[in-house]
Parts: sequence; C-alpha cells; structure tokens
Amino acid sequence: EDQVTQSPEALRLQEGESSSLNCSYTVSGLRGLFWYRQDPGKGPEFLFTLYSAGEEKEKERLKATLTKKESFLHITAPKPEDSATYLCAVQAGGGGSYIPTFGRGTSLIVHP
Amino acid sequence: DGGITQSPKYLFRKEGQNVTLSCEQNLNHDAMYWYRQDPGQGLRLIYYSQIVNDFQKGDIAEGYSVSREKKESFPLTVTSAQKNPTAFYLCASSPRDRVGYTFGSGTRLTVV
Repeated sequence: EDQVTQSPEALRLQEGESSSLNCSYTVSGLRGLFWYRQDPGKGPEFLFTLYSAGEEKEKERLKATLTKKESFLHITAPKPEDSATYLCAVQAGGGGSYIPTFGRGTSLIVHP
Repeated sequence: DGGITQSPKYLFRKEGQNVTLSCEQNLNHDAMYWYRQDPGQGLRLIYYSQIVNDFQKGDIAEGYSVSREKKESFPLTVTSAQKNPTAFYLCASSPRDRVGYTFGSGTRLTVV
C-alpha cells in the first residue's frame, strides 16, 4: 500500500528564516511526486511535479527535491504570503492504481 | 482561461435532504475526481471517473452518488444516507496520461 507522511504537521517561521518541509513516501514504482499549496477555504494549487531521484525544481522562493524515499520543499527567505498548507502526493506506476496518495499536509505560518 | 468550477461555494443541508454539488471543467481532461477534506485529515477519495458514463467508488463512497453524462461535468450528490456530511468537498481533473491534478476551489457543506 502506498504511503505518504509529511512532517512537521505545523511550522512557524519568522520572515526570512529559511526551512524545509519533508515528504516521506513508500510506493511501488514512482510515476510522479506532486507538491501543492492550499490556502484556507480554497482548493490546492499545483506547484511542482518530480519524476525521478535527483530531480530538482524551483519557483520563486520554493525549491523541491526528490530522493528515492523522500522529497523536500525548501523555502528560502519566506514571506508572510507563503503562509499556507503544503500538500505532497505520490502517484504509482508499473500497473498499479494511478490514483495519487496524499499526505496530510504541513501547515506553514510565516510571521512578519 | 481553462479551469475547474465548483458551485456553490457554500451549501447548507437539512437533515434527511439530498444535495448536489456541481463540478464543471473546460480543460478537456478525461478523468475527474471527488475528494472530501476534513480538518487534520488528508484528502479522501469519494468517487472518480476515467471516461464518460463510467465511474468507480473511492475509499469513502457510502452515502454519495455521482454521474458522468458529459466529459465536462461530474456532479456529486450527498444523500441522506451520509450521516456526517459536513466537510469541504474538492473536485479535480487530470489529463489522459493521468499525471497531476487540477483542483477546483471547493464547496463547503454544512448540515443545519
């Protein structure tokens, strides 16, 4: 059974204080790992897709990396507008169910 | 702009009443999905559809029903059999290769 565990559950940062969110996963043949941002009362917004170990993607202050067991979402010099819940999901390949498995998310609050 | 539209944004249901949540997409995506999101929990899959006139149960289908008569539309009915329907409902769609989701903005359903 595919599993996704995100840590920490909640993270409070001061503006400018860089940190990382973790997404650990077990899946039978990774087809893709996805990061989403979700603001309160809204639907998740797509951030990144990673396909293979060693891959990295960046967008503004966010950088996502992938190994064979986990992914990190690095936030450099965060601003209050980066406050949101960040969701990770994995999609299995190799003939398994293509329905992604989601983690419970990390709630990030950035204080000015 | 292409996207997914969910309506209404807020919905109130009386005991014993059926209600229908609307989901429309103009992304030309083949697959559509319904998720339920509760505080502190991850996204839980209710139903999904890969093609018109076909759909499958997800992890928590009891008390819900769907239809897929058009590629663009995937309405969800919350029936009176669903004993705890208060939640945030998210619709999503994905393209034929099924890599990655696009989410709607959600409907918050409350039982009164």
